[in-house]
Amino acid sequence: DAKTTQPTSMDCAEGRAANLPCNHSTISGNEYVYWYRQIHSQGPQYIIHGLKNNETNEMASLIITEDRKSSTLILPHATLRDTAVYYCIVRATYNQGGKLIFGQGTELSVKP
Amino acid sequence: GAVVSQHPSRVICKSGTSVKIECRSLDFQATTMFWYRQFPKQSLMLMATSNEGSKATYEQGVEKDKFLINHASLTLSTLTVTSAHPEDSSFYICSAIRTGTSVGETQYFGPGTRLLVL
Repeated sequence: DAKTTQPTSMDCAEGRAANLPCNHSTISGNEYVYWYRQIHSQGPQYIIHGLKNNETNEMASLIITEDRKSSTLILPHATLRDTAVYYCIVRATYNQGGKLIFGQGTELSVKP
Repeated sequence: GAVVSQHPSRVICKSGTSVKIECRSLDFQATTMFWYRQFPKQSLMLMATSNEGSKATYEQGVEKDKFLINHASLTLSTLTVTSAHPEDSSFYICSAIRTGTSVGETQYFGPGTRLLVL
Protein backbone atom coordinates (compact mmCIF):
# COMPACT_ATOMS: atom_id res chain seq x y z
CA ASP A 1 0.00 0.00 0.00
CA ALA A 2 1.16 3.52 -0.78
CA LYS A 3 2.34 5.71 2.07
CA THR A 4 0.85 9.06 2.90
CA THR A 5 2.27 12.23 4.39
CA GLN A 6 0.14 14.49 6.56
CA PRO A 7 0.94 17.44 8.80
CA THR A 8 1.23 16.40 12.42
CA SER A 9 -1.22 18.98 13.70
CA MET A 10 -3.47 21.82 12.58
CA ASP A 11 -5.71 24.38 14.21
CA CYS A 12 -8.98 25.69 12.87
CA ALA A 13 -11.40 28.31 14.13
CA GLU A 14 -14.91 27.14 14.89
CA GLY A 15 -17.27 27.82 12.00
CA ARG A 16 -14.49 28.10 9.44
CA ALA A 17 -13.56 25.51 6.85
CA ALA A 18 -10.89 23.02 7.84
CA ASN A 19 -8.67 21.95 4.95
CA LEU A 20 -6.56 18.89 5.70
CA PRO A 21 -3.89 18.05 3.12
CA CYS A 22 -2.46 14.65 2.30
CA ASN A 23 0.37 13.68 -0.03
CA HIS A 24 0.36 10.25 -1.63
CA SER A 25 2.81 10.58 -4.48
CA THR A 26 3.32 6.82 -4.90
CA ILE A 27 -0.36 5.93 -5.19
CA SER A 28 -1.15 3.18 -7.67
CA GLY A 29 -3.90 3.27 -10.27
CA ASN A 30 -6.11 0.83 -8.35
CA GLU A 31 -5.74 2.49 -4.95
CA TYR A 32 -8.44 4.57 -3.36
CA VAL A 33 -7.98 7.51 -0.99
CA TYR A 34 -9.81 7.01 2.31
CA TRP A 35 -10.27 9.43 5.18
CA TYR A 36 -11.10 8.39 8.72
CA ARG A 37 -11.05 10.28 11.96
CA GLN A 38 -10.62 9.16 15.54
CA ILE A 39 -12.00 11.10 18.43
CA HIS A 40 -10.18 10.42 21.67
CA SER A 41 -10.77 6.90 23.06
CA GLN A 42 -13.19 5.92 20.32
CA GLY A 43 -12.98 3.71 17.25
CA PRO A 44 -12.17 5.39 13.93
CA GLN A 45 -15.08 6.89 12.03
CA TYR A 46 -15.32 6.65 8.26
CA ILE A 47 -15.57 10.03 6.56
CA ILE A 48 -15.23 9.67 2.82
CA HIS A 49 -13.29 7.96 0.06
CA GLY A 50 -12.59 8.45 -3.63
CA LEU A 51 -10.64 7.12 -6.56
CA LYS A 52 -10.03 10.07 -8.86
CA ASN A 53 -13.11 12.25 -8.88
CA ASN A 54 -13.92 14.75 -6.18
CA GLU A 55 -16.46 13.46 -3.69
CA THR A 56 -18.86 15.09 -1.28
CA ASN A 57 -21.11 13.71 1.42
CA GLU A 58 -22.89 15.05 4.47
CA MET A 59 -19.67 15.15 6.47
CA ALA A 60 -17.02 16.45 4.13
CA SER A 61 -15.64 16.98 0.65
CA LEU A 62 -12.66 15.22 -0.83
CA ILE A 63 -10.62 16.96 -3.49
CA ILE A 64 -8.14 14.76 -5.38
CA THR A 65 -5.62 16.36 -7.71
CA GLU A 66 -5.65 15.35 -11.35
CA ASP A 67 -2.39 13.42 -11.01
CA ARG A 68 -3.79 11.78 -7.84
CA LYS A 69 -0.60 12.50 -5.94
CA SER A 70 -2.33 14.54 -3.27
CA SER A 71 -5.73 15.23 -1.82
CA THR A 72 -7.49 17.57 0.58
CA LEU A 73 -10.26 16.80 3.01
CA ILE A 74 -12.54 19.75 3.59
CA LEU A 75 -14.81 20.12 6.59
CA PRO A 76 -16.91 23.08 5.45
CA HIS A 77 -17.95 24.45 8.84
CA ALA A 78 -15.80 23.00 11.59
CA THR A 79 -17.29 22.59 15.06
CA LEU A 80 -15.65 21.76 18.37
CA ARG A 81 -16.86 18.17 17.92
CA ASP A 82 -14.64 17.87 14.84
CA THR A 83 -11.55 17.94 17.05
CA ALA A 84 -9.92 14.57 16.33
CA VAL A 85 -7.03 12.82 14.62
CA TYR A 86 -7.66 12.59 10.88
CA TYR A 87 -6.14 9.76 8.92
CA CYS A 88 -5.57 9.74 5.17
CA ILE A 89 -5.05 6.21 3.87
CA VAL A 90 -4.58 4.86 0.38
CA ARG A 91 -5.33 1.27 -0.43
CA ALA A 92 -6.64 -1.06 -3.09
CA THR A 93 -9.86 -2.95 -2.48
CA TYR A 94 -9.64 -5.89 -0.09
CA ASN A 95 -10.10 -8.36 -2.94
CA GLN A 96 -7.03 -6.83 -4.53
CA GLY A 97 -5.03 -7.32 -1.36
CA GLY A 98 -5.55 -3.86 0.05
CA LYS A 99 -5.42 -3.30 3.79
CA LEU A 100 -6.27 -0.22 5.82
CA ILE A 101 -2.91 0.71 7.32
CA PHE A 102 -2.96 3.74 9.58
CA GLY A 103 -0.17 6.33 9.70
CA GLN A 104 0.18 9.01 12.35
CA GLY A 105 -2.54 11.27 10.96
CA THR A 106 -3.21 14.96 11.55
CA GLU A 107 -4.39 16.11 14.95
CA LEU A 108 -7.00 18.78 14.23
CA SER A 109 -7.91 21.17 17.02
CA VAL A 110 -10.99 23.27 16.46
CA LYS A 111 -10.90 26.31 18.69
CA PRO A 112 -13.75 28.61 19.72
CA GLY B 1 -25.83 3.14 8.52
CA ALA B 2 -23.36 0.38 9.25
CA VAL B 3 -22.92 -0.32 12.95
CA VAL B 4 -20.20 -2.42 14.50
CA SER B 5 -20.31 -3.19 18.20
CA GLN B 6 -17.74 -4.59 20.60
CA HIS B 7 -18.15 -6.29 23.92
CA PRO B 8 -16.96 -5.63 26.51
CA SER B 9 -16.05 -1.97 26.25
CA ARG B 10 -13.58 -2.30 29.13
CA VAL B 11 -12.09 -5.26 30.89
CA ILE B 12 -9.63 -5.65 33.74
CA CYS B 13 -8.06 -9.04 34.30
CA LYS B 14 -5.29 -10.66 36.24
CA SER B 15 -2.04 -11.63 34.60
CA GLY B 16 -2.17 -15.17 33.21
CA THR B 17 -5.88 -15.23 32.50
CA SER B 18 -7.55 -15.21 29.07
CA VAL B 19 -9.90 -12.54 27.81
CA LYS B 20 -12.39 -12.80 24.96
CA ILE B 21 -13.51 -9.75 23.01
CA GLU B 22 -16.50 -9.90 20.67
CA CYS B 23 -17.02 -7.90 17.51
CA ARG B 24 -20.44 -7.83 15.86
CA SER B 25 -21.76 -6.22 12.71
CA LEU B 26 -25.27 -5.26 13.76
CA ASP B 27 -27.05 -4.33 10.54
CA PHE B 28 -24.97 -5.91 7.81
CA GLN B 29 -23.13 -9.09 6.97
CA ALA B 30 -19.36 -9.06 7.06
CA THR B 31 -17.37 -11.88 5.55
CA THR B 32 -14.19 -10.04 6.49
CA MET B 33 -13.33 -8.42 9.78
CA PHE B 34 -10.09 -6.93 11.05
CA TRP B 35 -8.51 -6.58 14.47
CA TYR B 36 -6.32 -3.64 15.43
CA ARG B 37 -4.44 -2.67 18.56
CA GLN B 38 -3.63 0.84 19.70
CA PHE B 39 -1.24 1.85 22.45
CA PRO B 40 -1.49 5.29 24.10
CA LYS B 41 -0.52 8.17 21.84
CA GLN B 42 0.14 5.80 18.94
CA SER B 43 -1.70 4.98 15.77
CA LEU B 44 -3.71 1.84 15.11
CA MET B 45 -1.74 -1.28 14.26
CA LEU B 46 -3.35 -4.01 12.19
CA MET B 47 -3.07 -7.35 13.97
CA ALA B 48 -5.00 -9.78 11.80
CA THR B 49 -7.64 -10.30 9.16
CA SER B 50 -10.54 -12.56 9.99
CA ASN B 51 -12.55 -14.31 7.28
CA GLU B 52 -15.79 -16.11 8.02
CA GLY B 53 -15.32 -19.86 7.99
CA SER B 54 -11.56 -19.85 7.56
CA LYS B 55 -8.40 -19.26 9.54
CA ALA B 56 -7.34 -15.75 10.33
CA THR B 57 -4.35 -14.15 8.64
CA TYR B 58 -1.95 -12.53 11.08
CA GLU B 59 0.36 -9.60 10.42
CA GLN B 60 4.07 -10.07 10.83
CA GLY B 61 5.12 -10.08 14.46
CA VAL B 62 1.67 -10.93 15.87
CA GLU B 63 1.60 -14.23 17.75
CA LYS B 64 -1.29 -16.32 16.46
CA ASP B 65 -1.22 -18.63 19.48
CA LYS B 66 -1.56 -15.69 21.83
CA PHE B 67 -4.26 -13.82 19.93
CA LEU B 68 -6.85 -16.40 18.90
CA ILE B 69 -9.37 -15.23 16.34
CA ASN B 70 -12.60 -16.98 15.45
CA HIS B 71 -15.03 -15.80 12.80
CA ALA B 72 -17.84 -18.32 13.09
CA SER B 73 -20.64 -16.35 11.49
CA LEU B 74 -21.19 -13.49 9.07
CA THR B 75 -21.81 -11.09 11.94
CA LEU B 76 -19.45 -12.18 14.70
CA SER B 77 -15.70 -12.36 15.16
CA THR B 78 -13.97 -12.95 18.49
CA LEU B 79 -10.46 -12.17 19.67
CA THR B 80 -9.14 -14.10 22.65
CA VAL B 81 -6.03 -12.82 24.36
CA THR B 82 -4.59 -15.93 25.98
CA SER B 83 -2.44 -15.84 29.11
CA ALA B 84 -2.61 -12.07 29.18
CA HIS B 85 0.27 -10.07 30.61
CA PRO B 86 0.55 -6.37 31.51
CA GLU B 87 2.23 -5.61 28.17
CA ASP B 88 -0.98 -6.78 26.43
CA SER B 89 -2.85 -3.87 28.01
CA SER B 90 -4.09 -1.84 25.09
CA PHE B 91 -7.09 -0.56 23.14
CA TYR B 92 -8.37 -3.30 20.83
CA ILE B 93 -10.52 -2.25 17.89
CA CYS B 94 -12.29 -4.34 15.30
CA SER B 95 -13.64 -3.37 11.92
CA ALA B 96 -15.77 -4.97 9.24
CA ILE B 97 -16.12 -4.66 5.52
CA ARG B 98 -19.68 -4.32 4.36
CA THR B 99 -19.95 -6.93 1.63
CA GLY B 100 -21.97 -6.46 -1.49
CA THR B 101 -21.29 -2.74 -1.75
CA SER B 102 -19.87 -0.87 -4.71
CA VAL B 103 -16.20 -0.90 -5.55
CA GLY B 104 -13.95 0.70 -2.98
CA GLU B 105 -15.73 -0.99 -0.12
CA THR B 106 -15.96 0.84 3.16
CA GLN B 107 -14.54 -0.51 6.39
CA TYR B 108 -16.51 0.32 9.53
CA PHE B 109 -15.03 0.29 13.01
CA GLY B 110 -16.28 -0.71 16.41
CA PRO B 111 -15.99 1.52 19.48
CA GLY B 112 -13.02 -0.40 20.86
CA THR B 113 -12.28 -2.47 23.97
CA ARG B 114 -9.88 -1.22 26.57
CA LEU B 115 -7.97 -4.08 28.19
CA LEU B 116 -6.02 -3.63 31.39
CA VAL B 117 -3.98 -6.55 32.65
CA LEU B 118 -2.85 -6.30 36.26
